[in-house]
Amino acid sequence: QSVLTQSPSASGTPGQRVTIACSGSSSNIGSNTVNWYQQLPGTAPKLLIYNNNQRPSGVPDRFSGSKSGASASLAISGLQSEDEADYYCATWDDSLNGLYVFGTGTKVTVL
Amino acid sequence: QVQLVQSGAEVRKPGSSVKVSCKASGGTFSTYGISWVRQAPGQGLEWMGGILPFLGTTNYAQKLQGRVTITTDGSTGTAYMELSSLRSADTAVYFCARSMATYCNSPNCFKDYFYNGMDVWGQGTTVTVSS
Repeated sequence: QSVLTQSPSASGTPGQRVTIACSGSSSNIGSNTVNWYQQLPGTAPKLLIYNNNQRPSGVPDRFSGSKSGASASLAISGLQSEDEADYYCATWDDSLNGLYVFGTGTKVTVL
Repeated sequence: QVQLVQSGAEVRKPGSSVKVSCKASGGTFSTYGISWVRQAPGQGLEWMGGILPFLGTTNYAQKLQGRVTITTDGSTGTAYMELSSLRSADTAVYFCARSMATYCNSPNCFKDYFYNGMDVWGQGTTVTVSS
């Protein structure tokens, strides 16, 4: 099982703001930056946020990330139907040999 | 714009091995790190390991140590992931992905390269393990 915990689901109506939380520990989020990925059904993941709050080129500014201590969050403002997807937090974990770890994932449903 | 193009679906019997390829199209990944990530049906993402082609170094998830081997062929711009001693729990979609970073400025190069995640992904390869 993953060392990063996310709520299984979140939902909102179009235009609303949805927040997804990601909880880790001192060996991962507590000491490293957080990335977020969006995975639309049947497709490969897409990097949405890197370095806690940076957006790669082409990612709308409706998506924003933040980190505090050993937790992080992704906010989607002005929710749109095309935002319905699975969202994963991820970071480097310094334990053992070090490895990249993903969160358990959150399914966002647009009502 | 570089794309990562993976090989097609595979079906294997328990105990056998599978080798999945990932070819860079429209560019090169020689200055990037390559990771392999898998996703079992209905499950989340799992990082399997990665390689820094220019250093020839690899890093594998502990649970897969001894069963997974990641390599690259610089002449063809192709990365490979081989998984042995297959079991039904290895049934999954396997993705290759390129690191966003292109530099190392600490003793932990793997961390430096994958710190900011992977920004280019292959389309995925379905591997089914069934008797």
